[in-house]
Amino acid sequence: GAVVSQHPSRVICKSGTSVKIECRSLDFQATTMFWYRQFPKQSLMLMATSNEGSKATYEQGVEKDKFLINHASLTLSTLTVTSAHPEDSSFYICSALEVGRIQPQHFGDGTRLSIL
Amino acid sequence: AQSVSQHNHHVILSEAASLELGCNYSYGGTVNLFWYVQYPGQHLQLLLKYFSGDPLVKGIKGFEAEFIKSKFSFNLRKPSVQWSDTAEYFCAVNAHSGGSNYKLTFGKGTLLTVNP
Repeated sequence: GAVVSQHPSRVICKSGTSVKIECRSLDFQATTMFWYRQFPKQSLMLMATSNEGSKATYEQGVEKDKFLINHASLTLSTLTVTSAHPEDSSFYICSALEVGRIQPQHFGDGTRLSIL
Repeated sequence: AQSVSQHNHHVILSEAASLELGCNYSYGGTVNLFWYVQYPGQHLQLLLKYFSGDPLVKGIKGFEAEFIKSKFSFNLRKPSVQWSDTAEYFCAVNAHSGGSNYKLTFGKGTLLTVNP
């Protein structure tokens, strides 16, 4: 149980395009989802906390207009990287919390984003 | 803000060797502590967690961790590793601070390679 599906797993696109990444909780409802970014040989860095039906809470230094987050239902959150540039290339990971629980987070497989 | 330090970037062991991975955190208040494991090509999975009670926590696959509050440590141990334990291990801390009772701070990870 507690499966989180992240799609796509890998995306390569040209500089200037926007990319949408989906995070779905398959067998549970998630009021809260998280978006992380991971650089090579670095830890997961929390970008934002996504709450169903409300605005996301972004961590310091994360551009809200660059990384748009939508959490329209209890099973889906999306991260859109707008006007992506090569420096946005990274590994993006989402996680989800079951409704009524504060831990543990269940993680998706991640999305490898490469901007040419 | 809290931080998590994992002392070893890469650990190489032979099968049946004993394992101890270090994790220290910086936060003076109440914490929940986690170890996550990421097998090659897979998502992060919870290995074990500490919330309260017995500071020696047993997890899946024969892993255990000990919370030593005075040392701000939560080291991961396994008496005899197997080739299948080859993976990256992440220590994470959830600090009880105001309304953010579910945000995780991760260490940089330790890559464990077990040679057959």
